[in-house]
Order: sequence, then C-alpha cells, then structure tokens
Amino acid sequence: GQQVMQIPQYQHVQEGEDFTTYCNSSTTLSNIQWYKQRPGGHPVFLIQLVKSGEVKKQKRLTFQFGEAKKNSSLHITATQTTDVGTYFCAYGLSFGAGTTVTVRA
Amino acid sequence: EAQVTQNPRYLITVTGKKLTVTCSQNMNHEYMSWYRQDPGLGLRQIYYSMNVEVTDKGDVPEGYKVSRKEKRNFPLILESPSPNQTSLYFCASSAGLAGVSYNEQFFGPGTRLTVL
Repeated sequence: GQQVMQIPQYQHVQEGEDFTTYCNSSTTLSNIQWYKQRPGGHPVFLIQLVKSGEVKKQKRLTFQFGEAKKNSSLHITATQTTDVGTYFCAYGLSFGAGTTVTVRA
Repeated sequence: EAQVTQNPRYLITVTGKKLTVTCSQNMNHEYMSWYRQDPGLGLRQIYYSMNVEVTDKGDVPEGYKVSRKEKRNFPLILESPSPNQTSLYFCASSAGLAGVSYNEQFFGPGTRLTVL
C-alpha cells in the first residue's frame, strides 16, 4: 500500500495567498520526491530531498524534509493560477494520493 | 527528444475483450512502471520492472499482466477487462537507483480506458 500519506486532499486557495501541503510517513524515509500534475496532463518531477532537515526552493515553491525524515512539506507563496494541479509526494516507486489545488482569481 | 510514449491515448472497449496498452521509452532506462489513477486514490502502482525479464507486482496487480522482453518496451495487458478497470493509466520509466535513492520517473501522456 501507499507508504506516504498526503494532506489535505483538496486545497482551494485565493490567488495571492500562501498554502502548504504535507506528506507523512510512519517509517523513516531515505528520500522523498515531489511531482506536479497539471489538469489533463501527466506527473512531472519537481524535486528530490535526501538530507534530514533539507530545504530547497524553486521560485515560489519551498520544499522541506523533516528532521526525522518521516515527513515533508511543500509551501507555495503568492499562489498563481499556474499553480493549479495535483501535487504528489513519492517514496521509491510509491505515490501519495496527492493534493489537488484550485485557485480562485 | 527523451520521452515515454503510450498507445492508445484513449480506448473504449467492452467487458472481456483482451487489450494491450503499449509503452516505450527512449532513455535506456532500466526501471519501468505502470500506474492507474482514480479520483481520490492518487497513483497506484500496478506492476514494475527493474530490467529485462524482471517484473514484479505493485499494489493493484489483479486483472493485469505485463512483460519486459526488451529494455525500451513494457506493455500492459488486460486479458479480460472489467468495468472496474476503467481508469487513467500511466507508464513511467527511470534510471533506477542512485545509491539509496530512486532517480526521478518520467511519465508517458496517459491512456484513458473505459470498459463498458
């Protein structure tokens, strides 16, 4: 079964606001990956985190790996309509259920 | 251009009629996987392959078969499709392991299957 759990399942955001989506595991992870799937598209790799407490940024996206390597988060600042889609975390070849983001203009 | 291709992109079929969805990658990747995507359930792995002639079950293998006779191809076979296999299917490939971490996966465009 899925080794990583994502919350929330849905996130409705006002354009310009920030939000965070979380990925949790009951076991220690050697790494975590994040993917984005635009509506009607396929998942596309965003980033991989490997080190405990690691923080990586991609423009308005900030990815964090927990100190215990059991959780990860994706924080998006100043949400734009281009951020619409489903964000998945993945461990190995297993994916979480995803957080689907919609944006109100 | 590095890519994963799937065919067909859309398919409507009837219960019990055998079908094959093809998947091909041109990146010389060792790992290939099949996923199905259903609302609220995310991506669930059906089968995966770590190399030619090496395949293994994922989380939801029932009703599916795969083969890996060549490195570039990984077809998904539904011997007797049923309506509960109506779903969006993705094939993916990756270079496999890099130390203890998996390399990123590259996904195909998806195949939307409807079984009546």
